[in-house]
Amino acid sequence: DIHMTQSPSSVSASVGDRVTITCQASQDISTNLNWYQQKPGKAPNLLIYDASDLETGVPSRFSGSGSGTDFSLTISSLQPEDIATYYCQQYDNLLPGTFGQGTKLEIK
Amino acid sequence: QLQLVQSGAEVKKPGSSVKVSCKASGGDFASFAISWVRQAPGQGLEWIGVIVPLFHTTKYAQKFQGRVSITADEVTYTAYMELSGLTSDDTAIYYCARGVNIDVWGQGTTVIVS
Repeated sequence: DIHMTQSPSSVSASVGDRVTITCQASQDISTNLNWYQQKPGKAPNLLIYDASDLETGVPSRFSGSGSGTDFSLTISSLQPEDIATYYCQQYDNLLPGTFGQGTKLEIK
Repeated sequence: QLQLVQSGAEVKKPGSSVKVSCKASGGDFASFAISWVRQAPGQGLEWIGVIVPLFHTTKYAQKFQGRVSITADEVTYTAYMELSGLTSDDTAIYYCARGVNIDVWGQGTTVIVS
């Protein structure tokens, strides 16, 4: 299995801050990476697919980058409604696969 | 618009098996990947495996190999996830979800092993 390592496991930031979460794959996955946001008691919500494409309806303050083994999710200006846990997920051979362990984002 | 509706909560004894269903309505079922993902209390998302009904292709996370079986019935538009050899560590919410870039999730099925 491809292993995904996210960091940090938690982050505290102020409204308006730029926040970056990283995800590292154990092997080259090209740009086969998704980012999800999960709020308590809810199913996850797709934010970014193919490493950098913004899902329809997701605010433009979210962006993704990276390829190969190193990826990042950036929130350009943190808003109170962005408080959630964020997960990366790899896919290969057009089959979804393993998630990172998650990054919990809190407001300072 | 596609909806995924899962079966109800289950309470199981250690060592037993559970089979969770996921019925699709309002969209094309067969051509998409249907994943199963679980989330233990207070923990992260854990991918279990996937099926593409059209090609009868399955793939499982190494951790669950030999203990999980994912199937699909193209007539009833229903996918199933059966997990055997249950322990308390399998207590979790189990989700089915559509696609490679997962855009539709079932409502989740709580499985308690006790």
